[in-house]
Amino acid sequence: DGGITQSPKYLFRKEGQNVTLSCEQNLNHDAMYWYRQDPGQGLRLIYYSQIVNDFQKGDIAEGYSVSREKKESFPLTVTSAQKNPTAFYLCASSPTPGQGLYEQYFGPGTRLTVT
Amino acid sequence: QKEVEQDPGPLSVPEGAIVSLNCTYSNSAFQYFMWYRQYSRKGPELLMYTYSSGNKEDGRFTAQVDKSSKYISLFIRDSQPSDSATYLCAMSASRDDKIIFGKGTRLHILP
Repeated sequence: DGGITQSPKYLFRKEGQNVTLSCEQNLNHDAMYWYRQDPGQGLRLIYYSQIVNDFQKGDIAEGYSVSREKKESFPLTVTSAQKNPTAFYLCASSPTPGQGLYEQYFGPGTRLTVT
Repeated sequence: QKEVEQDPGPLSVPEGAIVSLNCTYSNSAFQYFMWYRQYSRKGPELLMYTYSSGNKEDGRFTAQVDKSSKYISLFIRDSQPSDSATYLCAMSASRDDKIIFGKGTRLHILP
């Protein structure tokens, strides 16, 4: 999966609990992204980061938080404020900003189920 | 009108057939076009990308962009059961713009 690791593959949580999804890359990419994929909805951008210690909200950031303390790591926290957190979460990375937000490389995904 | 439209399928074709997958879009500013393949319960993998109009070929895969019609296509020749997956089109207006993804077309190649 292109040097991007997401863990765990499956995650189960009770409603009201925060949960953190891990994403690590060894591609030396500057930019990293979090998407959510729901059946029939396609990929929706949650957050992205183009450089360490900086990140921007995507289209559906409400109820999520991120940090980017290291170039290799971009963890996503799904908070209890997220109304419908059950989904397939995908992390991606791409080369140096300014050289394209295209050509993103995806991790294997984490399937989160909240009951 | 959605920015990117893609028929969700499923599309079922016999092994060896030529497959045509398509997307239409409304934003005439899009210049970068990509196709991703996603197997079940896996992350998408980049298959091909093209800039502006024209064709690009890579083995059994050909990507085609018609900007005048706002229409892109991915052709798969000599289709194999291993090509069964969901195919996502994606596009962006510039190298610094976010990528807009289609919802994906599920493809089944029947042995």
